Amino acid sequence: KNQVEQSPQSLIILEGKNCTLQCNYTVSPFSNLRWYKQDTGRGPVSLTIMTFSENTKSNGRYTATLDADTKQSSLHITASQLSDSASYICVVRMSRSNYGGSQGNLIFGKGTKLSVKP
Amino acid sequence: EAGVVQSPRYKIIEKKQPVAFWCNPISGHNTLYWYLQNLGQGPELLIRYENEEAVDDSQLPKDRFSAERLKGVDSTLKIQPAELGDSAVYLCASSLVGSGDYPYNEQFFGPGTRLTVL
Repeated sequence: KNQVEQSPQSLIILEGKNCTLQCNYTVSPFSNLRWYKQDTGRGPVSLTIMTFSENTKSNGRYTATLDADTKQSSLHITASQLSDSASYICVVRMSRSNYGGSQGNLIFGKGTKLSVKP
Repeated sequence: EAGVVQSPRYKIIEKKQPVAFWCNPISGHNTLYWYLQNLGQGPELLIRYENEEAVDDSQLPKDRFSAERLKGVDSTLKIQPAELGDSAVYLCASSLVGSGDYPYNEQFFGPGTRLTVL
């Protein structure tokens, strides 16, 4: 079964500290993996997208890693800020070829709810 | 450039009443998605349109849910009659799907409509 599991479910850290969120997946065939940030009351916003050949990708204070062999990804947040408080969702896209192009399905994790306290 | 626009942002109705949500995707995006997101969960796909055609509606509860995308631009999602279990956030997303696998297909999400059924 194609699944995306995230841990921890929730996390509380102090402002300025670093943290790492985990994502394990059992999705095949794999196309790419994305991390989204979802603020309360807002839609998800993409942070990073990685294909199987990309091991790491950074976006400011966010650094995502991908190990396609172990099917694990992590999102590291450096020097956290209050505005980092949000849910972080790991999403894996399946690769599927259709006539006229390719369009895969997205498998969403349940997210990690991060709270950054002053 | 405006992102994905959804309205209304919030809706409170009594059970058995009808309700409709509207979505205006990013200009030029040929693919539109409706998702349902329960509290503490990741989004779940309800229906995907490529232009005017609903290409994946396997998860749409067709006995009470319907959707349309006239002229391949705006879309509406309707529930009739609403049930208590329909209380959730309904997210709309759009993407530009080309023949390639990456970087196309990144989905941009709207802010969602939070539905409360009493």
